[in-house]
Amino acid sequence: GQQLNQSPQSMFIQEGEDVSMNCTSSSIFNTWLWYKQDPGEGPVLLIALYKAGELTSNGRLTAQFGITRKDSFLNISASIPSDVGIYFCAGNILSGNTPLVFGKGTRLSVIA
Amino acid sequence: GAVVSQHPSRVICKSGTSVKIECRSLDFQATTMFWYRQFPKQSLMLMATSNEGSKATYEQGVEKDKFLINHASLTLSTLTVTSAHPEDSSFYICSARDRLNEKLFFGSGTQLSVL
Repeated sequence: GQQLNQSPQSMFIQEGEDVSMNCTSSSIFNTWLWYKQDPGEGPVLLIALYKAGELTSNGRLTAQFGITRKDSFLNISASIPSDVGIYFCAGNILSGNTPLVFGKGTRLSVIA
Repeated sequence: GAVVSQHPSRVICKSGTSVKIECRSLDFQATTMFWYRQFPKQSLMLMATSNEGSKATYEQGVEKDKFLINHASLTLSTLTVTSAHPEDSSFYICSARDRLNEKLFFGSGTQLSVL
């Protein structure tokens, strides 16, 4: 079945540093999504990618949909304490009613 | 932006009782809603896909008689955990797909604790 490998599993960084995390899949995806989850809350969509090669920014966040359609990365520039949380990549092969497949998450800790 | 309301946010119940969780799309119609389960420090695991007006599709290993799903309208899906046991304690999250643009939005989750 579909699998998403997300890395790193956790990161400890200093405030102001840049962060990079990525996901790879065993299958070709048509959609890549990046979510952030705070403790006790549901995931919140950060960036959605719909085309191979697409590079999209949302403030200090930048994500790209890999050319092979099997990978995506998320970069966070100049991290701040409120960036702390768990970041999930997610994707699906087909549009319509197919559910998302999630990566296992990257737990980000920012040291002030 | 689109909002998905999930209620209750937290529930504590005794073993053997049933608990109903509601998921509402507040400003869009959703023909499809998804129910996920998340254990501490784990990723979201899909339990079932809820389709308006038809039976839900359950993932392998998820008991349909234990986790009853009803999607009676385009804005509401409910998950009922029947005869709850302590091992059912988990964080349950719903998501709803906007029928117009197919974007997916998540509820804020329900923390279920079964004593």
